[in-house]
Amino acid sequence: SQTIHQWPATLVQPVGSPLSLECTVEGTSNPNLYWYRQAAGRGLQLLFYSVGIGQISSEVPQNLSASRPQDRQFILSSKKLLLSDSGFYLCAWSRGNYNEQFFGPGTRLTVL
Amino acid sequence: AQSVTQLDSQVPVFEEAPVELRCNYSSSVSVYLFWYVQYPNQGLQLLLKYLSGSTLVESINGFEAEFNKSQTSFHLRKPSVHISDTAEYFCAVITAGGTSYGKLTFGQGTILTVHP
Repeated sequence: SQTIHQWPATLVQPVGSPLSLECTVEGTSNPNLYWYRQAAGRGLQLLFYSVGIGQISSEVPQNLSASRPQDRQFILSSKKLLLSDSGFYLCAWSRGNYNEQFFGPGTRLTVL
Repeated sequence: AQSVTQLDSQVPVFEEAPVELRCNYSSSVSVYLFWYVQYPNQGLQLLLKYLSGSTLVESINGFEAEFNKSQTSFHLRKPSVHISDTAEYFCAVITAGGTSYGKLTFGQGTILTVHP
C-alpha cells in the first residue's frame, strides 16, 4: 500500500528565517506531487505541482519554492519567511493525471 | 475555468438525523468529482469519488453522493449521522482535458457539527 509522510508536524519560525518542509511517498513510482496551503477560512490553495523529477510548476507567485530531487521526494522551501506564510501545508500525490489525490498529515507553520 | 461552490459553510445537526452537504460546480466539459473529509489538524481523506459509470457513489461509512449533470451538482448525504462525523468536508472537481495534469479545484469547505 501507499503512504505519504510529511515533516515536521509543527514548526514555529521567526520572520526572515529559512524554511524547509519535506514530503515523501512510499509504495508507488513516478507519482504526481502537489503542495497546498490551507489558511484559516480560505480553503486550499495549490502552490506547486510536479509530474516528474526536477519538473516543478508554480500555481501562484509567492515567497516559496519547491524542488523534487528524487522521484518520491518533494520539498517546499523559503529563503526568508513572511508573516503571511503561516498556515497548514499539505502535500499530496496522485497516480498520473485525472485521478484522486491522497494527502499527507500536514505541517502547521507559524511565523512570528 | 472550473469552480466549486459549497453552499453551506456550516451545518449543525443532531445525532442520528439525516444530513445533506451541497456542492455545485461550473464546467462545460466532463468532470471528475470528489468529496474529502478533514478532521482537526489532520490531512484530507478521500471520502468518495465519481469518475464514470453509476451516478450514485457510496463510501464505506454510510455517506453517498449523486452526480447530477443537468444541475451540475454533487451533493453529499448520510441518512443518520454520528458524533464522529463531525469534521470539515470539501467538494473538489477535476475538469477532463482542462490542463495537462488534472488540476483539482476545491470548494471552501462545509463544517459539519453533530450534536448529541
